[in-house]
Amino acid sequence: DIQLTQSPSFLSASIGDRVTITCRASQGISNYLAWYQQIPGRAPKLLIYAASTLHSGVPSRFSGSGSGTEFTLRISSLQPEDFATYYCQQLNSYPFTFGPGTKVDIK
Amino acid sequence: EEHLVESGGGLVQPGGSLRLSCAASGFTVSSNYMSWVRQAPGKGLEWVSFLHSGGVTYYADSVKGRFSISRDNSKNILFLQMNGLRAEDTALYYCVRVGTAMITPYFYYYMDVWGKGTTVTVSS
Repeated sequence: DIQLTQSPSFLSASIGDRVTITCRASQGISNYLAWYQQIPGRAPKLLIYAASTLHSGVPSRFSGSGSGTEFTLRISSLQPEDFATYYCQQLNSYPFTFGPGTKVDIK
Repeated sequence: EEHLVESGGGLVQPGGSLRLSCAASGFTVSSNYMSWVRQAPGKGLEWVSFLHSGGVTYYADSVKGRFSISRDNSKNILFLQMNGLRAEDTALYYCVRVGTAMITPYFYYYMDVWGKGTTVTVSS
């Protein structure tokens, strides 16, 4: 099975900050990676798929990049509604594993 | 607009069974790929199962042989039959539509429609 790690596990940031989250796969997954945002008490929401394609309706301050084993989610200017936990997921092969999550909190 | 509504969760003793249901609206379950994802209390997301539109199924190792994903095409409902439940199966279970995109020449999956979840508690 493909394992995903995320760094950092937790980050504290201020409104307007640029935020970068990294996801690493235990083996190459090309660009079969998605990113999700989960606000406490709510279902996850798709942000990005195919590593860099922004899902419909997602603000352009979110962007994704990477291929192979290293991927990045960037938020260009953090907004109040962005404080949440972010998960990556590989959809290259079954099981479609998720990363452990990165919690973004208010500084 | 596409919606998913899960039901069937509850408290069950170890070794017991439950069947989760997921009613879809705004799209046809049988024409889409569907999945179940769970989240234990205070923990991250765990992919559980996948149903291909053609009927092929896949499972996480942790549930293989105990859980079964299926659908009722006439009612537009997805199911998860859970047998031999264990304490570690305690979680919020999400029903998810798996969307697809063709970015030539490759085919991509992503989880684009999520229900609100139904809670399963396995305890004596």
